[in-house]
Amino acid sequence: QLQLQESGPGLVKPSETLSLTCTVSGGSISSSSYYWGWIRQPPGKGLEWIGSFYYSGTTYYNPSLKNRVTVSVDTSMKRFSLKLTSVTAADTAVYYCARHLYYYDSGGYYSSPVDFWGQGTLVTVSS
Amino acid sequence: SSELTQDPAVSVALGQTGRITCQGDSLRRHYASWYQQKPGQAPILVIYGQNNRPSGIPDRFSGSSSGNTASLTITGAQAEDEADYYCNSRDIGGYHLVFGGGTKVTVL
Repeated sequence: QLQLQESGPGLVKPSETLSLTCTVSGGSISSSSYYWGWIRQPPGKGLEWIGSFYYSGTTYYNPSLKNRVTVSVDTSMKRFSLKLTSVTAADTAVYYCARHLYYYDSGGYYSSPVDFWGQGTLVTVSS
Repeated sequence: SSELTQDPAVSVALGQTGRITCQGDSLRRHYASWYQQKPGQAPILVIYGQNNRPSGIPDRFSGSSSGNTASLTITGAQAEDEADYYCNSRDIGGYHLVFGGGTKVTVL
């Protein structure tokens, strides 16, 4: 069974860089057809996609965060990372790593489910 | 602002049928996926594609789509269905994930 586990500092100072790692077990990041990425949820608010990479290496970022975000994969292909620069209190959130798909459904539309989530890690931005 | 719009809250009587909707232009070519999130837990996928349920999701959950609106229906709601529900799909361009703002479902 695939498992995702986030790790990293729970407290980051304003203007510094938030860095998180997601360790993947029970599956391979290099498996075709899958995207791997990060989603966050500020306390009491909804979900926001941050960015993802495709198994081939192409990365995609939320346009609202694009200038501050980097998602990268470890050469071991068992971990991937998130870096978010110049953080402010607005970046305080639970950060989830996740796997998602993108395929053409037999019903005639595309489908993009997030089928596996990590448990999430709270990152607080505060001095 | 989210490109997918959900009603903030929906109430459903125990054992009755409740429906949550998600609206957005991208839903004219992308199916919505639906997630259930209980307090302090990560979201779990409950519906994806035309109307598919991952293993372990009860068959009282079903999905449908028409035009720019996707719906999640809970037929015979149970107390344990009380949770926040989110829809998601790709954006119109197809490169980015987008989420709805979430719907808080209360089972009365």
